Amino acid sequence: GIQVEQSPPDLILQEGANSTLRCNFSDSVNNLQWFHQNPWGQLINLFYIPSGTKQNGRLSATTVATERYSLLYISSSQTTDSGVYFCAVETGGFKTIFGAGTRLFVKA
Amino acid sequence: DGGITQSPKYLFRKEGQNVTLSCEQNLNHDAMYWYRQDPGQGLRLIYYSQIVNDFQKGDIAEGYSVSREKKESFPLTVTSAQKNPTAFYLCATSRQVNQPQHFGDGTRLSIL
Repeated sequence: GIQVEQSPPDLILQEGANSTLRCNFSDSVNNLQWFHQNPWGQLINLFYIPSGTKQNGRLSATTVATERYSLLYISSSQTTDSGVYFCAVETGGFKTIFGAGTRLFVKA
Repeated sequence: DGGITQSPKYLFRKEGQNVTLSCEQNLNHDAMYWYRQDPGQGLRLIYYSQIVNDFQKGDIAEGYSVSREKKESFPLTVTSAQKNPTAFYLCATSRQVNQPQHFGDGTRLSIL
């Protein structure tokens, strides 16, 4: 089956720093989503981005489907950005596969 | 997310018991999903439903069952055949498959 790999697995930032999270996938996909899971376990959909670039405030995402990767950019990080960032891809059979996540901690 | 209600938040099960987790939505979404998350890991798909009266197995369906008799409801039963049921269970919905998914707050299931 399709493999979804996220890097780095862990990331520690000083408040105000910028970062780039990466998601590689091993086969063609119908769509790609980025999620943030806060320390209480709640999952928020950040981007639905099968291709191209989107921006939402301090966050932006780019997916290059032909090269099978997506990037999530966080600028001017804040302590509330801490948590786990997941990328998830949907295959041709409508199954959703999640990566293992990037655990981010932003220090004040 | 608002509009997706999972209950209960915490659930304890004795060995050999079946338990049912509730997921209700008022978003008028056609598609609903159940995921399992183990500590420090990503989510794994248990079952999904594209439309009422239809559902499909995900990657880890063994030991679980679902029903989709109403658009608003997609209950998950963890049967006694599931040998390691302790996990965080998350329900999600989307307008249709291949559309953005939105999650409930989850149910934490533990074995007594």
